[in-house]
Amino acid sequence: DSGVTQTPKHLITATGQRVTLRCSPRSGDLSVYWYQQSLDQGLQFLIQYYNGEERAKGNILERFSAQQFPDLHSELNLSSLELGDSALYFCASSVTTGGDTEAFFGQGTRLTVV
Amino acid sequence: QKEVEQDPGPLSVPEGAIVSLNCTYSNSAFQYFMWYRQYSRKGPELLMYTYSSGNKEDGRFTAQVDKSSKYISLFIRDSQPSDSATYLCAMRNQAGTALIFGKGTTLSVSS
Repeated sequence: DSGVTQTPKHLITATGQRVTLRCSPRSGDLSVYWYQQSLDQGLQFLIQYYNGEERAKGNILERFSAQQFPDLHSELNLSSLELGDSALYFCASSVTTGGDTEAFFGQGTRLTVV
Repeated sequence: QKEVEQDPGPLSVPEGAIVSLNCTYSNSAFQYFMWYRQYSRKGPELLMYTYSSGNKEDGRFTAQVDKSSKYISLFIRDSQPSDSATYLCAMRNQAGTALIFGKGTTLSVSS
């Protein structure tokens, strides 16, 4: 167990809908990263938060947004869902954004858009 | 050209074999190199981490980084069926924060 908790584990929703994925980082970790994993693209970095503030953005669509709350948990919001958004969404956490290289991953949320 | 290239396999070996997994990359700014193992339907777990060039050994696993060739390797000795998984290379530069991943190599070790 990595200590990173993601909920829900599975989510099935219809096109056009909006969903929220939740991540609780390891105790003491200030950084949270969101990744999307699909069969053809592999693990793609979406966005990073550090201590409540957005720190870096990757290939995140405008329909997607995230935030990190004062208790350091994070939520990834996906709206106007399309079939192509079906993927595994992972959250990872680490202590710092600088030299720290160890990012610990949660078990992921499997999103299916029908 | 993708920043990180990794042969997806699949790679099938008998138990006890030595396995070699590789990645190439194009960004010379990468300084930190990692290997993650991912079992089916699970999150990636960190196996090895190496800073800059050189070798690092941990039990049956050895990670090598050759920055001059922009090439990293993971060797697994005495492979076991429990090593059957997808292996992902990942890297980042010194100032960056996000890990850039290869697509992963699927390994199957048969008993």
